[in-house]
Amino acid sequence: EIVLTQSPDFQSVTPKEKVTITCRASQSIGSSLHWYQQKPNQSPRLLIRSASQSMSGVPSRFSGSGYGTGFTLTINSLEAEDVAVYFCHQSESLPQTFGQGTKLEMK
Amino acid sequence: QITLKESGPTLVKPTQTLTLTCTFSGFSLTTSGVGVGWIRQPPGKALEWLALIYWNDDKRYSPSLKSRLTITKDTSKSLVVLTMINMDPVDTATYYCARVFGVVKWFDYWGQGTLLTVSS
Repeated sequence: EIVLTQSPDFQSVTPKEKVTITCRASQSIGSSLHWYQQKPNQSPRLLIRSASQSMSGVPSRFSGSGYGTGFTLTINSLEAEDVAVYFCHQSESLPQTFGQGTKLEMK
Repeated sequence: QITLKESGPTLVKPTQTLTLTCTFSGFSLTTSGVGVGWIRQPPGKALEWLALIYWNDDKRYSPSLKSRLTITKDTSKSLVVLTMINMDPVDTATYYCARVFGVVKWFDYWGQGTLLTVSS
């Protein structure tokens, strides 16, 4: 099973801050890495698929990069509405797995 | 418009069998490349992938839960059913169904989730 480890687990943030969340895979997964945003009491929302491809309707301040075992989700100029938990997800091999999540909270 | 909605009991007793139904619209499970999966999330914890069923009836299960899970589909009714036997309090979680699309298999549409409590 491929283990995905996110860092940090938690980050206190301020508006307009640039936020970087990393996801490391225990073995190479190519670009089969996806990012989701989950706001309180909501379902996850797909933000980025295949490491770097933004989904339709996702604000341009969200971007993804990486390949193999190291991936990054970047939020440029964070807005209050971005406070949420962010999960990475690998679909390269079964069982598919998720990272433990990164919680962003406003200072 | 693509939607998915989970339905099932909110409470089951230990050792009982759980049956969850995912009813979807806006797509067909006969379309090549499409699948529906189940994911769960214990309160305050991370997401856990459970099972997937594809348009061609290929089925995949989490190895740790494989002996307890069965996933089936009814394409004529646009629904997917997940059955889990021998429920335990550690299975308490919100259960989501979600659509899988494409070769790389990301989950692009999710249901609202259904909270299940396992308790005597």
